[in-house]
Amino acid sequence: GIQVEQSPPDLILQEGANSTLRCNFSDSVNNLQWFHQNPWGQLINLFYIPSGTKQNGRLSATTVATERYSLLYISSSQTTDSGVYFCAPDTGANSKLTFGKGITLSVRP
Amino acid sequence: EAGVTQFPSHSVIEKGQTVTLRCDPISGHDNLYWYRRVMGKEIKFLLHFVKESKQDESGMPNNRFLAERTGGTYSTLKVQPAELEDSGVYFCASSLIMDTEAFFGQGTRLTVV
Repeated sequence: GIQVEQSPPDLILQEGANSTLRCNFSDSVNNLQWFHQNPWGQLINLFYIPSGTKQNGRLSATTVATERYSLLYISSSQTTDSGVYFCAPDTGANSKLTFGKGITLSVRP
Repeated sequence: EAGVTQFPSHSVIEKGQTVTLRCDPISGHDNLYWYRRVMGKEIKFLLHFVKESKQDESGMPNNRFLAERTGGTYSTLKVQPAELEDSGVYFCASSLIMDTEAFFGQGTRLTVV
């Protein structure tokens, strides 16, 4: 099956800093989602981005499907951005998502 | 519009007991998925329903797990008998059609002692 690698595994930022989270995947994908798992464990949808670039406030994401990677940009980070960020591509085989191990982000005030 | 809801949010049971988890998908979503995350591991796919039919159950770990979706609305996932290694967080997700954005519930944290 598809392999998903996220980097870096852990990230510590000072409030206000910018960051880039990376997701590499080993196979062609039909779609890709980014999630933020908040401290209560809930998976919050950030982006549904099989290709191209999308922006939502301080967050933006880019997927380059031909090169098999996706990037999540966080600008002017806030303490509420802390948590675990997952990317999850879907190869189109039965629409199931394959999750990476996640990136643990800590934003310090 | 209500999102995906799961019940209970937490469950603590003894080894050998039975537990039933419930998932109510977003209204009108034909596709329903179960995933789980056991300690220290990635979130893994368990199975996929399209309406009331099992589309893919390749991720179900063994026959102690039984998922149903009678009537194509809510789904239940029963673990019988529960084992210690079943502890983890069980997520449910739904999507309108295949290959579209999936939305997740808040998860059920299952602890088997």
